[in-house]
Amino acid sequence: DGGITQSPKYLFRKEGQNVTLSCEQNLNHDAMYWYRQDPGQGLRLIYYSQIVNDFQKGDIAEGYSVSREKKESFPLTVTSAQKNPTAFYLCASSIGGKRSSYNEQFFGPGTRLTVL
Amino acid sequence: KNQVEQSPQSLIILEGKNCTLQCNYTVSPFSNLRWYKQDTGRGPVSLTIMTFSENTKSNGRYTATLDADTKQSSLHITASQLSDSASYICVVNPGGYNKLIFGAGTRLAVHP
Repeated sequence: DGGITQSPKYLFRKEGQNVTLSCEQNLNHDAMYWYRQDPGQGLRLIYYSQIVNDFQKGDIAEGYSVSREKKESFPLTVTSAQKNPTAFYLCASSIGGKRSSYNEQFFGPGTRLTVL
Repeated sequence: KNQVEQSPQSLIILEGKNCTLQCNYTVSPFSNLRWYKQDTGRGPVSLTIMTFSENTKSNGRYTATLDADTKQSSLHITASQLSDSASYICVVNPGGYNKLIFGAGTRLAVHP
């Protein structure tokens, strides 16, 4: 069963805590992304990675960190420095590079993070 | 500034009726435009993709149009079903490496 999985589906965090959201894909995609979705707003890019061991900041990277040690995995850590972390977080992947001009991004089911 | 604006923000229609969602963009350069459907609490799923040279593309009851001159796109849903209740997101790809421009979406509710 191919696709992108995210865990957990729901996550609760106390203020001052760091939490890590998991994202795994078995589509053999090079590129992976993390987005944040807030009500009434378009998806905003947090971090993206074109290839293993390399990643770039997106538009709202402050307070977040990522790693890309394996092609299949792109975990996102929401640190205590993120002032308003309550949101729906979506992970996506795509073939990436110049191999796909259409560049379709396939999304995971999302993780809803709530700060208590 | 690259932007994608969608209208209306929300829409309620009766089952079996048709509806049209709008997307205006000010993105340059332009590679393609994609419509996604996002069910509540789920990730978006691609419905259609249109490149500069394409005017119309259908996917079942979904028909997307693109006017690259006026930078407008629409998504028409025919004979709506309860399962069409979702958010519909317009996404423009400027080309290059992977950074997409997302609209805020239109939330559609289909009532029996």
